[in-house]
Amino acid sequence: DAMVIQNPRYQVTQFGKPVTLSCSQTLNHNVMYWYQQKSSQAPKLLFHYYDKDFNNEADTPDNFQSRRPNTSFCFLDIRSPGLGDAAMYLCATSRTYTDTQYFGPGTRLTVL
Amino acid sequence: RKEVEQDPGPFNVPEGATVAFNCTYSNSASQSFFWYRQDCRKEPKLLMSVYSSGNEDGRFTAQLNRASQYISLLIRDSKLSDSATYLCVVNFYNQGGKLIFGQGTELSVKP
Repeated sequence: DAMVIQNPRYQVTQFGKPVTLSCSQTLNHNVMYWYQQKSSQAPKLLFHYYDKDFNNEADTPDNFQSRRPNTSFCFLDIRSPGLGDAAMYLCATSRTYTDTQYFGPGTRLTVL
Repeated sequence: RKEVEQDPGPFNVPEGATVAFNCTYSNSASQSFFWYRQDCRKEPKLLMSVYSSGNEDGRFTAQLNRASQYISLLIRDSKLSDSATYLCVVNFYNQGGKLIFGQGTELSVKP
């Protein structure tokens, strides 16, 4: 059974139209991460939650926001997607900072 | 300088070949090390952790040299199914468990 689930798997949005990506986990892990991976590039961390504590990477644009309403769910909100935001968005979870991170299948975002 | 650097690839090898990937990292405070595998348009999946003493998992052997800040992955007897991108990954516990990924090295195993 899938342990880290991302929905939708594919998302098409229009330039400037807000979009929300979803991640859920059945592992009861404390930490949830959001990574962005552009074509032919390495995944790059956007931010993470340790329980309810939000930790933003210094170079993450303000256009990207996140919510974690409970242990199981975490959302990535892109307020005004630009063409440069087209990418694969990967959610990962880990029990603590030192434990293995498990990745979801990703959401591939297309911006028209 | 990138925090994690890998051989650019791609590596095109015949079935049965032995192939080695190299990786260097810049931050001596780096705390744990991994090789991930990523298939085309899929998520990264953990292949193996890398320990200072070196570790082996079947056809795969990983080595770490902390003094040289160097990590390697050796694949013996390559299979067609080994074709993928191999990502060298460093975990910074003191930065919230942040994973820093290398660019990845593409491996293509041919019949």
